[in-house]
Amino acid sequence: ETGVTQSPTHLIKTRGQQVTLRCSSQSGHNTVSWYQQALGQGPQFIFQYYREEENGRGNFPPRFSGLQFPNYSSELNVNALELDDSALYLCASSHPGTSEIYEQYFGPGTRLTVT
Amino acid sequence: AQSVTQLDSQVPVFEEAPVELRCNYSSSVSVYLFWYVQYPNQGLQLLLKYLSGSTLVKGINGFEAEFNKSQTSFHLRKPSVHISDTAEYFCAVSDGSGFGNEKLTFGTGTRLTIIP
Repeated sequence: ETGVTQSPTHLIKTRGQQVTLRCSSQSGHNTVSWYQQALGQGPQFIFQYYREEENGRGNFPPRFSGLQFPNYSSELNVNALELDDSALYLCASSHPGTSEIYEQYFGPGTRLTVT
Repeated sequence: AQSVTQLDSQVPVFEEAPVELRCNYSSSVSVYLFWYVQYPNQGLQLLLKYLSGSTLVKGINGFEAEFNKSQTSFHLRKPSVHISDTAEYFCAVSDGSGFGNEKLTFGTGTRLTIIP
């Protein structure tokens, strides 16, 4: 069973640029959630995708957007990067229709640095 | 709205000593509670969860937690820690309204350092 994978591992961007982060969910999981973890903080919910539709959004501006594909992998896109976007971005997959209900499996994260 | 407070940002403990990491939550509805561990340069791993039933929950790596509704707490404990337990620990809450797809609200984390 393959776990949650994310790419790239690290990324350095300049303020104002755009970035795309990728996530492959655990085999059989149809739900992907994205979290932002700033240095020294707990993860904060950005949004969730369930069967290719957005299924809830946290307190993040519209320049944070996402996609989920038919194979349930997902992308997080951030436009017009700001310095405060520097963080670890975590992807978590889950499947509410299984015995693992309420369990989210996290990937290792993508460390984004905005200069 | 829900929130989670982890009262200790750092906890140093001698190897083989017991440890308790404190977590308090606030919510206007019934909650589900979780503890996650994050090792350096890694993602989060679920230690244990409370959904319903027995208030004492046992998890992986010898950890357990007790749900106390009256005190709105969900403290994590281990009777004897090991060097490998050095990590960041996060308490999280969800409101159970999304049929298993709820967002998690995390605390700010507690860094557990084991002293040899």
